[in-house]
Amino acid sequence: QAVLTQPSSLSASPGASASLTCTLRSGINVDTYRIYWYQQKPGSPPQFLLNYKSDSDNKQGSGVPSRFSGSKDVSANAGILLISGLQSDDEADYHCMIWHSAAWVFGGGTKLTVL
Amino acid sequence: QVTLRESGPALVKPTQTLTVTCTFSGFSLNAGGMSMSWIRQPPGKALEWLARIDWDDSKYYATSLKTRLTISKDTSKNQVVLTMANMDPVDTATYFCARIDFSGDGHFDFWGEGTLVTVSS
Repeated sequence: QAVLTQPSSLSASPGASASLTCTLRSGINVDTYRIYWYQQKPGSPPQFLLNYKSDSDNKQGSGVPSRFSGSKDVSANAGILLISGLQSDDEADYHCMIWHSAAWVFGGGTKLTVL
Repeated sequence: QVTLRESGPALVKPTQTLTVTCTFSGFSLNAGGMSMSWIRQPPGKALEWLARIDWDDSKYYATSLKTRLTISKDTSKNQVVLTMANMDPVDTATYFCARIDFSGDGHFDFWGEGTLVTVSS
């Protein structure tokens, strides 16, 4: 079982909100991890969006709009990237990442379609 | 201004050793808290972290690839080099280098554009 699991795709309408999940493997407690989120558009490297450890310990990337926010669902053992007020420009791949067992680990990525 | 640029062969044959180089500017890997990583992405697939080297020469490797990888730095040339032995067609991917400044925000803040490596006979 992968360390981080993301849904492969998600579709949402312009102006709506999209909740992207990053589920940690059973036995790895989301509460103890800082989760990083990156956005990647075709032909470009990923760009940092934000990281989230807790409501009092999180960091927004430089220039990243406040419509992008992070949270956790402890009951689901998952990190969440919430994008509100979806715009066509938000259509991209979204990757989550943690530092686990002396290694950076990426999720499989979610392709967000805005239509 | 921080820049990173990957370079290496576009095509390697199976069983050969890949050497990719990241040449950077705008910072020093001697500075406390600096860290460089290699990350790859097969076409249409997920990101996979490969290796990391820090300012103090600490090194970390992806467990599944550890036996095939070597990361090193040449601070006089502002370069980080990754070698990957025994290349296979499944290693076909874009190879990125990326920087973390742990004395700053602690995330991959700068990336190179990547270099596409195809493994084929």
